[in-house]
Amino acid sequence: DTEVTQTPKHLVMGMTNKKSLKCEQHMGHRAMYWYKQKAKKPPELMFVYSYEKLSINESVPSRFSPECPNSSLLNLHLHALQPEDSALYLCASSQVRDANYGYTFGSGTRLTVV
Amino acid sequence: AQKVTQAQTEISVVEKEDVTLDCVYETRDTTYYLFWYKQPPSGELVFLIRRNSFDEQNEISGRYSWNFQKSTSSFNFTITASQVVDSAVYFCALSEERSGAGSYQLTFGKGTKLSVIP
Repeated sequence: DTEVTQTPKHLVMGMTNKKSLKCEQHMGHRAMYWYKQKAKKPPELMFVYSYEKLSINESVPSRFSPECPNSSLLNLHLHALQPEDSALYLCASSQVRDANYGYTFGSGTRLTVV
Repeated sequence: AQKVTQAQTEISVVEKEDVTLDCVYETRDTTYYLFWYKQPPSGELVFLIRRNSFDEQNEISGRYSWNFQKSTSSFNFTITASQVVDSAVYFCALSEERSGAGSYQLTFGKGTKLSVIP
């Protein structure tokens, strides 16, 4: 299995809703990432988990809350989002300490905040 | 800080023409990895190639070829005999190991939108 699976593919949520994005991989990668991509822009790093521990938070607002319950799963919990948070959210995974065998992206969740 | 520059914002070519997408990077690392990704309108990032800084061999894969020149910090991508299905946004990216984290951040260029006209 060489895939990163993200669900849902599309999500529309109101500003008062709570929702979660899910990401799963079974490649044995121990580094997992959340990227955010606004329209017509490149992906930008949000969070990095290494060995299931949060290692990097790129000053992301607290309305985004990541969680890595085990080595195969990565969640992004969303609460009280703003319309400007509408974007494509991409999950990725890689080998720790050897990107030569990494960096696989999921197909993304397209989020619309209304 | 690392930087990736894709100077071409949009390119249009007629089907069967060859097209080269430019990528110039900046890094102070001696060991680094460069990537090219394709992003069709559906949104997923499709991996095309990965190259480490010690491997300056050019690579050809079907209609795709890559020219890595460390002396000019460039990693250009050529599509030969372009097809309509090649229409997409193409991103060049540079990896950076985040110190102490054992994980890698990809720094992306702004992307080049390629339109292949039938």
